[in-house]
Amino acid sequence: ELKVEQNPLFLSMQEGKNYTIYCNYSTTSDRLYWYRQDPGKSLESLFVLLSNGAVKQEGRLMASLDTKARLSTLHITAAVHDLSATYFCAVAGNAGNMLTFGGGTRLMVKP
Amino acid sequence: DTAVSQTPKYLVTQMGNDKSIKCEQNLGHDTMYWYKQDSKKFLKIMFSYNNKELIINETVPNRFSPKSPDKAHLNLHINSLELGDSAVYFCASSPISSGNGEQYFGPGTRLTVT
Repeated sequence: ELKVEQNPLFLSMQEGKNYTIYCNYSTTSDRLYWYRQDPGKSLESLFVLLSNGAVKQEGRLMASLDTKARLSTLHITAAVHDLSATYFCAVAGNAGNMLTFGGGTRLMVKP
Repeated sequence: DTAVSQTPKYLVTQMGNDKSIKCEQNLGHDTMYWYKQDSKKFLKIMFSYNNKELIINETVPNRFSPKSPDKAHLNLHINSLELGDSAVYFCASSPISSGNGEQYFGPGTRLTVT
């Protein structure tokens, strides 16, 4: 059974600081996704990582994938308040492309 | 135009009732999904469905059943609702035969069982 663990589950940080969210998964997969969810809203796709060593960047967020270590990271650079949200990583299993989600990281960026 | 839509947005009902949530996608995707998000924000896959295959997460009670009248729709029917079914249900779709498998999510349906 595929298991996905994120840490930390809660992160409070000051504006301007850097931090990294970690996503570990238990079985082989070469497809990993990062989503953002604002309170009461749906999930917004941030990054699609499809191969070992993949790195994607969008604004202050950068995601990477190490399939050998079964690890993905989401790095936040110079955080701003607008980044406050819950971030989920999700790993695709073999059956029907069903996603197994991590527990989510609730990020609060304080002025 | 909304890519993945769900109705209703909110659903309040009593234990023991039967209810349905509708999902439609206009993206031309060939696979659709249902996810459940509980009060602690944990997201869990319930079903994956394309025109050839239904895959059911083994932890989903058989009171839940997906029904697909056509490729663009995947409705979720729930029998004999229980308090523990209260959650937000998200529909999603993705292209499997082409693309990177990225899933696009609907706005969610908040189900409250009293």
